[in-house]
Amino acid sequence: ELKVEQNPLFLSMQEGKNYTIYCNYSTTSDRLYWYRQDPGKSLESLFVLLSNGAVKQEGRLMASLDTKARLSTLHITAAVHDLSATYFCAVDNNNDMRFGAGTRLTVKP
Amino acid sequence: ETGVTQSPTHLIKTRGQQVTLRCSSQSGHNTVSWYQQALGQGPQFIFQYYREEENGRGNFPPRFSGLQFPNYSSELNVNALELDDSALYLCASSLTPGGLEQYFGPGTRLTVT
Repeated sequence: ELKVEQNPLFLSMQEGKNYTIYCNYSTTSDRLYWYRQDPGKSLESLFVLLSNGAVKQEGRLMASLDTKARLSTLHITAAVHDLSATYFCAVDNNNDMRFGAGTRLTVKP
Repeated sequence: ETGVTQSPTHLIKTRGQQVTLRCSSQSGHNTVSWYQQALGQGPQFIFQYYREEENGRGNFPPRFSGLQFPNYSSELNVNALELDDSALYLCASSLTPGGLEQYFGPGTRLTVT
């Protein structure tokens, strides 16, 4: 059974700092997603990663995928308060999307 | 704006009752997936519908059922509600079952008392 694990589950960081969120998954998949969720809101798609070595960047967020290690990372550069949210990775398992437990990020001034 | 809508926004039901949640997919999207998100957890896949047929199911009991209609709308029905069914229910539409992008609706918050 496909398992998706994220760490850390909680992350408190200061504005201006860098940090990385990790997402490990247990079986082969050709798609990995990163989503953002604000409290009480739905999911906002951030990145879709399709191949080994894929790297995508949007603003202060950069996601990468290593399919051999079954690992994806979401790197935050020079964090700002607006990035405070919960971030989920998800792996597509034949139309069954499996989500990690989420990383609750708080960026403090 | 994704164009996926859900109703109602919030709902309170009593244990043992039945509930129907509704989703309207983006125009042209013939695939809809439903997810249950308990508080503080990631979404869990309930099932997917494609062209009005169930096209995959997660680890949920048969009292969770669905329907999809030709007009891109769909329903999630839950019978014999239990307290643990309290959650945010999300629908997501995509062009095809293997579509690269899923567009999530705003969700329905169900509380079972």
